[in-house]
Amino acid sequence: GENVEQHPSTLSVQEGDSAVIKCTYSDSASNYFPWYKQELGKRPQLIIDIRSNVGEKKDQRIAVTLNKTAKHFSLHITETQPEDSAVYFCASHSGNTPLVFGKGTRLSVIA
Amino acid sequence: KAGVTQTPRYLIKTRGQQVTLSCSPISGHRSVSWYQQTPGQGLQFLFEYFSETQRNKGNFPGRFSGRQFSNSRSEMNVSTLELGDSALYLCASSPILSGNTIYFGEGSWLTVV
Repeated sequence: GENVEQHPSTLSVQEGDSAVIKCTYSDSASNYFPWYKQELGKRPQLIIDIRSNVGEKKDQRIAVTLNKTAKHFSLHITETQPEDSAVYFCASHSGNTPLVFGKGTRLSVIA
Repeated sequence: KAGVTQTPRYLIKTRGQQVTLSCSPISGHRSVSWYQQTPGQGLQFLFEYFSETQRNKGNFPGRFSGRQFSNSRSEMNVSTLELGDSALYLCASSPILSGNTIYFGEGSWLTVV
């Protein structure tokens, strides 16, 4: 089955710097890649997603890039703010299987 | 639109007991999936239901079971609880089966003592 590896597991950045989180997947048929943000004590919420027919997608300060050949995708957050501090999960989907999640990255933005 | 609703939010059980968790999906959503979240293990898939049928099942022992009703509401049950079952159980709903955005509830925090 699909396997998703996520790195790093923890990330600390200074406010205003950029943060990058990377994920790799194993199933070349995977075609949907969402990113979820989970603040402390709250539910995971979708922040951005990308499908396999697109290489990059942006939404204000966040962007996701997809490299299908290398089977990896990345989340980029620019001009980080303290409210960006959370756990971020990448996920991958293939066929009629459910979403498979990475183990998460704890991002700390230091003011 | 109301979001995904899970009950109870918090519960404490004793080893050997059983527990039932409930999930009401977003109105119009027919797919409900369940995930177990523990520190260091991320979100592990339990099962997915669509139109009252289990469509996918994760790698969990038979003590974990679920069902979906005709109104798309879902329940999951864990029998013979073990200490390792302590976790946040998240329900998520989607309009269609797999491959689409899923929307999570706030979860049910289960502590087994």
